[in-house]
Amino acid sequence: EVQLVESGGGLVQPGGSLRLSCAASGFTFSTYSMNWVRQAPGKGLEWVSYISSSSTTTHYADSMKGRFIISRDNAKNSLYLQMNSLTAEDTAVYYCAREMVPTGFSYWGQGTLVTVSS
Amino acid sequence: QSVLTQPPSASGTPGQRVTISCSGSSSNIGSNSVYWYQQLPGTAPKLLIYTNNQRPSGVPDRFSGSKSGTSASLAISGLRSEDEADYYCAAWDGSLSGWVFGGGTKLTVL
Repeated sequence: EVQLVESGGGLVQPGGSLRLSCAASGFTFSTYSMNWVRQAPGKGLEWVSYISSSSTTTHYADSMKGRFIISRDNAKNSLYLQMNSLTAEDTAVYYCAREMVPTGFSYWGQGTLVTVSS
Repeated sequence: QSVLTQPPSASGTPGQRVTISCSGSSSNIGSNSVYWYQQLPGTAPKLLIYTNNQRPSGVPDRFSGSKSGTSASLAISGLRSEDEADYYCAAWDGSLSGWVFGGGTKLTVL
């Protein structure tokens, strides 16, 4: 069974940093591209970042460029999101999602809540 | 605002057919596949339709997708109370080099 389990969320002060993790199981992690998608409270889905299976390609939404860094460790079946210079606008549930062509985001984790507040 | 445009709400009575539209541009829907996700209250999104009109296994054939030019739509026939959820369209945007989502449509079953 495919499982994606996010962790690392919590309360952080404005300007602070946080590192999210996504533990994958039930599939060959190293062969899939992965993404982070977030959802602010009461708002819609917003794509955050993409990383290819071998980490050779990464993409970021414009509002995250220069502040967020996506990475993965295929040996540990894990996906990461390093978030820096956080603002209140980054408060959201962060989901990791497995991507496959042509089926898109076929599996999602349960999400981890990040709250940026003083 | 979102790159893809959806109506914020839709509604129908049990058994009815409802459609949800999704409008984009040549850099996203016009040149790439459209995906639809269903998000039940308090849960993570779930893939509903991929590659414009394909259903993953387990998704009832009451759900169908279509695409024409720079627009797409999701149709739900034989509406059921358990269909009450938020629905999002998505596509890859070649100009932005990233995925874009619609703002979401809240479906209410009256």
